[in-house]
Amino acid sequence: DVKVTQSSRYLVKRTGEKVFLECVQDMDHENMFWYRQDPGLGLRLIYFSYDVKMKEKGDIPEGYSVSREKKERFSLILESASTNQTSMYLCASSSHTQGLEQPQHFGDGTRLSIL
Amino acid sequence: GENVEQHPSTLSVQEGDSAVIKCTYSDSASNYFPWYKQELGKGPQLIIDIRSNVGEKKDQRIAVTLNKTAKHFSLHITETQPEDSAVYFCAASSNTNAGKSTFGDGTTLTVKP
Repeated sequence: DVKVTQSSRYLVKRTGEKVFLECVQDMDHENMFWYRQDPGLGLRLIYFSYDVKMKEKGDIPEGYSVSREKKERFSLILESASTNQTSMYLCASSSHTQGLEQPQHFGDGTRLSIL
Repeated sequence: GENVEQHPSTLSVQEGDSAVIKCTYSDSASNYFPWYKQELGKGPQLIIDIRSNVGEKKDQRIAVTLNKTAKHFSLHITETQPEDSAVYFCAASSNTNAGKSTFGDGTTLTVKP
């Protein structure tokens, strides 16, 4: 079974802090994704990566950056945390099969509160 | 880009009844349509998916139908049980989109015993 592990279930940080959210997958997947989930807004894509050191902006990248130095690890960085970044953050991964889309496998989320 | 609309946003049924959730998509290039179930405190998990070369797929009590002409697809759950209570997301993607999916806003299903 694919396992996507997010380093923290709950995190509380202060406004202006630099925050790191870590995600590790164990299935050698090429694609990795970061979403935020807010009530009534579904899953919104922040950034994704289709290979090591490759990244692309999603729908809401402002205030965030990412790092993918190793294939199994994808980090989300809040450069200067603000209260409107309080949310549930979900990491996902998927394999890349030429011409054939594959499902995404999600971690259990990090609930981040910015005070 | 792709736009996925999901209805209803909340659905309440009695145990044993059927539940239907509908999604429409805008991009005719989309060819893969997964459905995910998210239980409280967990991440979404794939429950069933369908590709554009198939009109219907069934797995025990759940089924998905796809109408490519009308650009809509639906999730059907029969003989609902309390453990089916969760948030359900539909999604659409195409093989030209580097593995990205566009998600619906989710449906909160409550099955009353």
